[in-house]
Amino acid sequence: KAGVTQTPRYLIKTRGQQVTLSCSPISGHRSVSWYQQTPGQGLQFLFEYFSETQRNKGNFPGRFSGRQFSNSRSEMNVSTLELGDSALYLCASSLLGSGFGTGELFFGEGSRLTVL
Amino acid sequence: AQSVAQPEDQVNVAEGNPLTVKCTYSVSGNPYLFWYVQYPNRGLQFLLKYITGDNLVKGSYGFEAEFNKSQTSFHLKKPSALVSDSALYFCAVRDDLRGDMRFGAGTRLTVKP
Repeated sequence: KAGVTQTPRYLIKTRGQQVTLSCSPISGHRSVSWYQQTPGQGLQFLFEYFSETQRNKGNFPGRFSGRQFSNSRSEMNVSTLELGDSALYLCASSLLGSGFGTGELFFGEGSRLTVL
Repeated sequence: AQSVAQPEDQVNVAEGNPLTVKCTYSVSGNPYLFWYVQYPNRGLQFLLKYITGDNLVKGSYGFEAEFNKSQTSFHLKKPSALVSDSALYFCAVRDDLRGDMRFGAGTRLTVKP
């Protein structure tokens, strides 16, 4: 069974640009969560999608947005990039997601974003 | 709100010695507790979880964790550390009211030969 796939793995942008990251969950998983990982802030929850609906949202500004498609693939977008957005963005999938199960998250390898 | 705390940024142990990585939690409802490991430039890998039942949970790679409700702790343990266990370890909690998973700050484990 293929794992969680994130693309691109690495990317470099400049301030003010926008970026879109993609995540393909494990086949059959309906929930996709996104996390931002930085050395200073650790792992911070961005949002969770389940069946194309945003179920939970972390404490990030509106520049961070996401969506989920009918095939459970998810994208997240960051507009008007700032230097502080440089981070490893991790996507994780689970069968049912929060509130419905006790299952663990399965993580992708991450997309490392550098903002210059 | 649910949260976990990992009081140690760094843990150093000698190969062959037992290791413990500490975690305490705070939740409103019943806790679902998890441990993950992260190797450099990789995503997180699931090690083990506590949902209910036996307080001692066994997981991957010889790791185990002990759930202690009175101390609100979920410490990760291994009887004999390997150099290959050197990595970043995260404790996480999900409660049955809110649902999303929250992670601790991580503990860097270094096992020296």
